[in-house]
Formats: sequence, C-alpha cells, structure tokens
Amino acid sequence: EPEVTQTPSHQVTQMGQEVILRCVPISNHLYFYWYRQILGQKVEFLVSFYNNEISEKSEIFDDQFSVERPDGSNFTLKIRSTKLEDSAMYFCASSEWGITQYFGPGTRLTVL
Amino acid sequence: ELKVEQNPLFLSMQEGKNYTIYCNYSTTSDRLYWYRQDPGKSLESLFVLLSNGAVKQEGRLMASLDTKARLSTLHITAAVHDLSATYFCAVDLGDTGNQFYFGTGTSLTVIP
Repeated sequence: EPEVTQTPSHQVTQMGQEVILRCVPISNHLYFYWYRQILGQKVEFLVSFYNNEISEKSEIFDDQFSVERPDGSNFTLKIRSTKLEDSAMYFCASSEWGITQYFGPGTRLTVL
Repeated sequence: ELKVEQNPLFLSMQEGKNYTIYCNYSTTSDRLYWYRQDPGKSLESLFVLLSNGAVKQEGRLMASLDTKARLSTLHITAAVHDLSATYFCAVDLGDTGNQFYFGTGTSLTVIP
C-alpha cells in the first residue's frame, strides 16, 4: 500500500541553523500539508500546498518557514534559523482530493 | 480566537462499555475530521464529515456532525483494548485550501 515517507526520522540541530525536512507524498496525490506537534500537545497546522503554491498557512508559518516541491516527488519544509521552540515532531501529509489525508511517520526535530 | 475543545481530555473505560467523546468548536465550519494517534506514532484518518447531520461508522466507532451546534461526537460502542489511543478532532476553516485547527485530544485507555 502506498505511504507517505519522511526523512530524517530524527534531526538534531543547533539554534540558529537551517534545517530541511523532507517528505515523499503518495505519488498520485495533489494536496500536501505540514503539521507540527510539540511533545504531549495537540497537532498544529502549518501549511497546505496545492498546484505548486501555498493555499493556506497558519500564524506559526512565518518568514522563517518555507515549503517547496523541488521535483515531482519531494515536498520539503525549510526552517531558516531554528529556535529552541521549534523542537517538535513534524508531520507531512498528502491527499488525493484535499479530503482524506495520509500522514507520514514524522521527523523529530531537536533544537539545542 | 478559534477554539476547538474536546472532552473529556482523558478517558478510562472498561472493555464492553460505551462512551462518547465531544468536540466543540467556536466558529462556523461544515468540515470536521477525526484522527487517531497511537503513542509515539503518526496520525491515522478515521472520519471525514462534510455536512450538517453527517454520520459515519467504522467498526465500533461512529462519528456525527451538527454544524448548527458546532459539535461533533465520536461514539465508542463496546470498547475493546485495541481502541486505546489519543483521538483528535480537527476543523477545516480554509477558504482557498485546507486550514486545520485541531482539538486538544482525548486520551482513551480501555481496561480489559
């Protein structure tokens, strides 16, 4: 069964460094999403992406964040200058029609 | 400020019993989603409710949506241990795309 994959599974970085989190959505899906979940807390929406552009974003998704679909398969989330509070689990999801979403396993980001 | 509130936050129930989890939200939406998350795992889509009065059932779980009351329920029938997980509801408020606001989550423990 097709699934969403994410790499790396765990990323450790120093505060102020740039990180890129990578996702490979399900191949025929057209809608892509990033979420984050701070340990023990609720899931927070970051951004939705369709037709090679951002369709919606949350207040969390400020100028430090960007997304890109550099080729036909990858979908990336870049954090330009990480802060301690960016430490969280980051989930990518994809959807064929913008309704049912399939989530990846997540990337745990630890900012030191 | 949009609020998506779930109750209870924690639920411990015996196998075979029935219970309902409630999801209240503070603004108009007719798109409501339910997800399941096992400890340390990603999210799994359970139900997508896209209109007032929508009811969906899968196994021992049934979800409903009342958009006028801004309320969704997740009903558990004859609980089994395998249903132990955290359940999140999420409201989609996007105009041009999806923009999700998640509830606080309900941690369910089913005791044999």
